[in-house]
Amino acid sequence: GIQVEQSPPDLILQEGANSTLRCNFSDSVNNLQWFHQNPWGQLINLFYIPSGTKQNGRLSATTVATERYSLLYISSSQTTDSGVYFCAPGAGSYQLTFGKGTKLSVIP
Amino acid sequence: EAGVAQSPRYKIIEKRQSVAFWCNPISGHATLYWYQQILGQGPKLLIQFQNNGVVDDSQLPKDRFSAERLKGVDSTLKIQPAKLEDSAVYLCASSPYPASSYEQYFGPGTRLTVT
Repeated sequence: GIQVEQSPPDLILQEGANSTLRCNFSDSVNNLQWFHQNPWGQLINLFYIPSGTKQNGRLSATTVATERYSLLYISSSQTTDSGVYFCAPGAGSYQLTFGKGTKLSVIP
Repeated sequence: EAGVAQSPRYKIIEKRQSVAFWCNPISGHATLYWYQQILGQGPKLLIQFQNNGVVDDSQLPKDRFSAERLKGVDSTLKIQPAKLEDSAVYLCASSPYPASSYEQYFGPGTRLTVT
């Protein structure tokens, strides 16, 4: 199956700072999603991005499928951005394989 | 549009007891997934349904876990008998695939504690 590596595993930011989260994957994919898991455990869809670049407010994501990586950019971070960010690429029957996540803590 | 619904939200049982979780996907979504998320890890797929047929259950521990999706809508995941290592959050997700997007949407999960 697909191997997924996310970095960094942990990240502490001052409110207002910017950050980049990285996701490397081992095989060709036809699906990739980024999620934010909030402190209550809910997985919130951020981006569906098998290739290309998308932006949504302070967040943007880029997937370079040919080089097998995806990046999530968070600008002007807020305390509500705290939680765990998961990258989940998929192939075959459009199943998702989750990485171990990046735990983000934004401090005021 | 209503999201994916799951119940119960929390369940505490003793080992060797049985438990069942229920999921109602987003209306019109043909594909339904059950995931297990152990503390500190990402979700792991247990089973995938398309309509009321099983697409993939290769990672479902079939000696104790079972799942069904009657009439291609609601789904139930059962564990019998439960073990301590089954303590986890059980997440249900749905997707409009194959009708359109492959994007998956998750419910709030059921947190199971086995004592």
